[in-house]
Amino acid sequence: QVQLVQSGSELKTPGASVKVSCKASGYSFTTYAMNWVRQAPGQGLEWMGWINTKTGKPTYAQDFTGRFVLSLDSSVSTAYLQISSLKAEDTAVYYCARTFFQASGSSSTSYMDVWGKGATVTVSS
Amino acid sequence: QSALTQPASVSGSPGQSITISCTGPNSDVGGYKFLSWHQQQPGKAPKVIIYDVSNRPSGVSNRFSGSRSGNTASLTISGLQAEDEADYYCSSYTSTSSTWVFGGGTKLTVL
Repeated sequence: QVQLVQSGSELKTPGASVKVSCKASGYSFTTYAMNWVRQAPGQGLEWMGWINTKTGKPTYAQDFTGRFVLSLDSSVSTAYLQISSLKAEDTAVYYCARTFFQASGSSSTSYMDVWGKGATVTVSS
Repeated sequence: QSALTQPASVSGSPGQSITISCTGPNSDVGGYKFLSWHQQQPGKAPKVIIYDVSNRPSGVSNRFSGSRSGNTASLTISGLQAEDEADYYCSSYTSTSSTWVFGGGTKLTVL
């Protein structure tokens, strides 16, 4: 079945970097884009950006430029989120979510249809 | 600050119906059909329950329905059940910037 398996919890000190992975299975990886979504403790969902899995081109939300990098390794059907210069406020659960897209004639549909279980990143000294 | 505005909380008793609104600028909710709703139960990942304003993915209960009027989308849950207690998020795509946005989320309490 279609699933996204994310890497495990990480505990990092301020200033360090972290790389979270999201391995896709059950479908052709390059067919659908991959999104990353942040959820800080007790807070709502924040869309961070998405990466075109055909071209590797990322698009970032305004609040997630600079320290955040989205990348791919299509040979292992895996998307990555790297965060550098970690701050305490980066403590959150990070989800990957596939964007389903389908076009038919003049109509199209798109939505995040499959989500990973989330990877917890804790930044603390 | 989200470009999509949702009420922070709603509540209802078992068997009742509730509606959650999602209001955005014309270029978001009003102009695009990529409006979806996601349910997030406590401690779990979000799950899509409505896409393209009013379509339900396979396996989602028909107690969930969606609609849109102008630049406000709505999620209605009928026949409330205890298991519906969760956070609900609307999401929309903005083609001008090729970005997605989530609403702030609405906590549903089943009394």
